[in-house]
Order: sequence, then structure tokens, then C-alpha cells
Amino acid sequence: GESVGLHLPTLSVQEGDNSIINCAYSNSASDYFIWYKQESGKGPQFIIDIRSNMDKRQGQRVTVLLNKTVKHLSLQIAATQPGDSAVYFCAETIAHGSGNTGKLIFGQGTTLQVKP
Amino acid sequence: DTEVTQTPKHLVMGMTNKKSLKCEQHMGHRAMYWYKQKAKKPPELMFVYSYEKLSINESVPSRFSPECPNSSLLNLHLHALQPEDSALYLCASSQEGGWGQGGRNTEAFFGQGTRLTVV
Repeated sequence: GESVGLHLPTLSVQEGDNSIINCAYSNSASDYFIWYKQESGKGPQFIIDIRSNMDKRQGQRVTVLLNKTVKHLSLQIAATQPGDSAVYFCAETIAHGSGNTGKLIFGQGTTLQVKP
Repeated sequence: DTEVTQTPKHLVMGMTNKKSLKCEQHMGHRAMYWYKQKAKKPPELMFVYSYEKLSINESVPSRFSPECPNSSLLNLHLHALQPEDSALYLCASSQEGGWGQGGRNTEAFFGQGTRLTVV
């Protein structure tokens, strides 16, 4: 597998390897986080979400990890496939209480390139 | 139906034209959003509608005018745009006025976008 310690705009991995995409979020009050996949010419597609009362959530081939101490989010993709090639965005918001404005703020995005 | 449908997919307009972008969802979502996305950049929030009322305007120029005729439809009226307004305009929806509200993990949906070119 290949991991990125800091956010990088591009991640290139071999087909079949595991991918780890990192994201640093900005607002310590954010309590709901979403990962999106955006293919060329398309809108963002929901992948997985996580609330701040969890530190890990798993989906089909994807896992999201949340570290609130350092405001860090990561997306792990198992057995990366060519169809996983896309731009991946993390997004944060405040879902509860008076801080909920409905704003979903996106990170800068990482382009995942899968080599066959 | 778990789709957000945007029309048109592509739009070319002159700086003196008036046009409208349309967005429709039938998931019963009561919050709808307009985002603008420039190439190789993340989506940027423009407007939020909650229960058909404008709740957030992110200091968007008045040449962009949103409208929410009912709970399923969202329009963005365009007038006297500039070439720098060329971008992908994305519509999105979520439940009850916010993402993941009420302690539920809420799937959040985006449309495919309208690719706007101002000439």
C-alpha cells in the first residue's frame, strides 16, 4: 500500500495496492465529515461519511479514519482498481446545534491515479 | 429516486444574455445548494436554501440570482455574467436544512453539474 503523510495533490498507486488519501480539516467545531469521489466531467459522488463521535467507519472497500486531536481525516481504499481513478475531496460541516449553518466546506482534493 | 438532476449539462452564453440553470430532486430533501467549481479546485458554496427559504448567500454577486419555487426545484438565474464566471455549477441536496442533521448519517447528493462558458 501507499500512504501520504501530508496532503498531496496527486497520488499514484499500482492496481491492487491499497491507497490512503489524507485530509486536514480546519474547524475544530466540525462534527460531520464526508468523502466524495469526482470523476472527470461529473459531479461529486458520495463515498462514505463519519461523525465526530466515531474514529473509524467502514464501507465496501473503503474505510474512513478520523483523528480529532490533530484534525485529520483519511480515506483508505482497499485493492485499488482503475475505476477508482478520480479526484477525492473531503468535506466538513457542523451538523448539530446552533453551529449548524448547512455549510459543507470542501478540502483541496487529491487526484488518485491507478496504474494497471 | 436518489438523483439530483441538473439542466442543461452545457451552456454557452454571452455577457449580455440572461439564462437559467435548473435543478430538481425528488428525495424529499428540504435543503438545496448551489456550488461553483473552477477547474482543479474544490466546489465553493454559493447559496443554501432551507425549506424553500434562502438561508445562506456567500457574498455572491447579484448577477447570480437563486430561486426555489418549491421543495423539489432550485433555479439559478444568470444575467450579465463575466468570462471569469465560467465554471461547473453544481446543485446538491440534503435532509432537513443541513448535512447529517439529527444524528442520522445522511447521504448527501450532488447533481452532475452544468458546465457554463461565458463568452
